[in-house]
Order: sequence, then structure tokens, then C-alpha cells
Amino acid sequence: ELKVEQNPLFLSMQEGKNYTIYCNYSTTSDRLYWYRQDPGKSLESLFVLLSNGAVKQEGRLMASLDTKARLSTLHITAAVHDLSATYFCAVDTGGTSYGKLTFGQGTILTVHP
Amino acid sequence: DTGVSQDPRHKITKRGQNVTFRCDPISEHNRLYWYRQTLGQGPEFLTYFQNEAQLEKSRLLSDRFSAERPKGSFSTLEIQRTEQGDSAMYLCASSSGLAREAFFGQGTRLTVV
Repeated sequence: ELKVEQNPLFLSMQEGKNYTIYCNYSTTSDRLYWYRQDPGKSLESLFVLLSNGAVKQEGRLMASLDTKARLSTLHITAAVHDLSATYFCAVDTGGTSYGKLTFGQGTILTVHP
Repeated sequence: DTGVSQDPRHKITKRGQNVTFRCDPISEHNRLYWYRQTLGQGPEFLTYFQNEAQLEKSRLLSDRFSAERPKGSFSTLEIQRTEQGDSAMYLCASSSGLAREAFFGQGTRLTVV
């Protein structure tokens, strides 16, 4: 059974600081997603990572994928308050079940002055 | 096309009542997925369809839950004899065989009182 683990689960950051969220998974993946979720809202897709060594950046967020280590990271640069949210990674193992996602527990990020 | 649409957005029901949720996927997306998200957790897979065929059901989907996609377009998720533990956000997503990325709807928040 695929397990997806994120750490940390809670992250309190000061504005302007950098930090990394880690996502480990237990079996081979076809693709890996990062989502953002605001309280009471649905999931907003941030990144889709398709291959080993993939790196994507959008604003202050950068995601990378190491399929050999079964590890993805979401790096936050110079955090601002607007980044406060819950971040999820999710793994699609592909094959005939493509599109079916297994999610991590989520990382609650709070950015304060 | 405006994306995946779910209805209702919020539902409050008394314990023991039946509820039904609807999901309209993105046009021509052949796969449709249902997830459940309880407070403080990541979404958990419930079931998915390819066209009108239900291909997989999670162990989470007890016999009180039933999902249909009768014409391969919209889907319904019914919960019979609701329990307080059914209180959650129910998320629907759809994907196509070509792009494969799953797009999520806004979710239906169920509260059982």
C-alpha cells in the first residue's frame, strides 16, 4: 500500500525566511502533485512533477522531484503572509489507475511578521 | 467550460437521513474521482469511474455509500443513514486519458447533526 508522508506537519515561519517541506512516498510514482488549500476551500494545483530531477518554480515556491529517493520538496523563499495555507503533496502511481491520487497529511504553514 | 462543478456546496443533515451529492466533470473527461477529506487530514480516495464503469472502490466506502455515473457524464454520491462520522468535505475530480491531470471541484461540505 502506498504511503505518502509529509514533514513537518506544522510550520510557523517569519516573513522573509526560507524553508522546505518534504514529501516522502513508499512506491514508484508516475507523477507527483503539490496543492494548496485555504481554510474551507478546495484544492488549488501548484505543481505537477513528471520525471526524476524535475524542478518547477512559481513565484516564491519551487518544487523538485527525486524519484530514486522517492522524495519531493517544496521550497519557500522569502515567505510572505499570503503563503499561509495548508500544502499537500499527492502521488499518482500511474498505470491503469492513472489519476487516482494518494495524499500526504498536509503541512499547515503560518507566516507571521 | 468552467471546470468541475459540485452541488450542493454545503449540506447540513440530521443523523439517519440520506443525502446525495452531484458532480459535473469537465466536458469529455472520461475519468471521475470521489475523495473525502475530514478536518485536519488529507483527502482520501473513495472511488473512481471510467466513463460509466466504476473501476475501484476504497474500503472507506461502506455499504451505506453508493456512487453512480449513469451516462458517463455527471456522477452522484449517495450516503444512506448518515452518521456524525460522515461529516467531511467530499471532493470530486475529473481527468482525461490524454492530459491525465486531475482537476478538483469546489467540494461539498457535509455536516451531520
